[in-house]
Amino acid sequence: DGGITQSPKYLFRKEGQNVTLSCEQNLNHDAMYWYRQDPGQGLRLIYYSQIVNDFQKGDIAEGYSVSREKKESFPLTVTSAQKNPTAFYLCASSPSVAKNIQYFGAGTRLSVL
Amino acid sequence: GESVGLHLPTLSVQEGDNSIINCAYSNSASDYFIWYKQESGKGPQFIIDIRSNMDKRQGQRVTVLLNKTVKHLSLQIAATQPGDSAVYFCAAYTGGFKTIFGAGTRLFVKA
Repeated sequence: DGGITQSPKYLFRKEGQNVTLSCEQNLNHDAMYWYRQDPGQGLRLIYYSQIVNDFQKGDIAEGYSVSREKKESFPLTVTSAQKNPTAFYLCASSPSVAKNIQYFGAGTRLSVL
Repeated sequence: GESVGLHLPTLSVQEGDNSIINCAYSNSASDYFIWYKQESGKGPQFIIDIRSNMDKRQGQRVTVLLNKTVKHLSLQIAATQPGDSAVYFCAAYTGGFKTIFGAGTRLFVKA
């Protein structure tokens, strides 16, 4: 099956802990994105990557970090600097960052213990 | 700043009726729009898109209307079914890399 896979589905973070959310795609897309979704709000862009070994900050990058070492993978680390990490995190990909449909994973729900 | 907003956070319709979900955008330079459907606990899925050189586009049971004069678009769902219950987002592409997403309208379908 072609698609975009996020794991885990649920994740709990302890105080002061860094956690990493996985995102893998087999669509051969160049562009990948991370969004945060809070209740009653639109998706907010955390980071995006146009190509391997390149990524750019979105609107709410503080407290997050990413890497893009492989075309298929775009993991997101929520660091201890992110003081309000509880949210639903969505990863997406598209053929490019130009006008394109984005394909989303099923999301990871992160909660703080 | 740029924004995309939906007029109603929730919409309740009777099964079999038509649904109309509205969206307004602020940036007149936006030239590509997408509607997504998000079911509970899942990621958004593409429904239909429209470019600014069009006023209307039809898909299977869905139609998107674009009014550039008032910066408004709508999603019409014909013969709404229980499986249509979800949150619907409009998204506006504003150039470069950026897509602005609205907050979503939750559609409830009554049997």
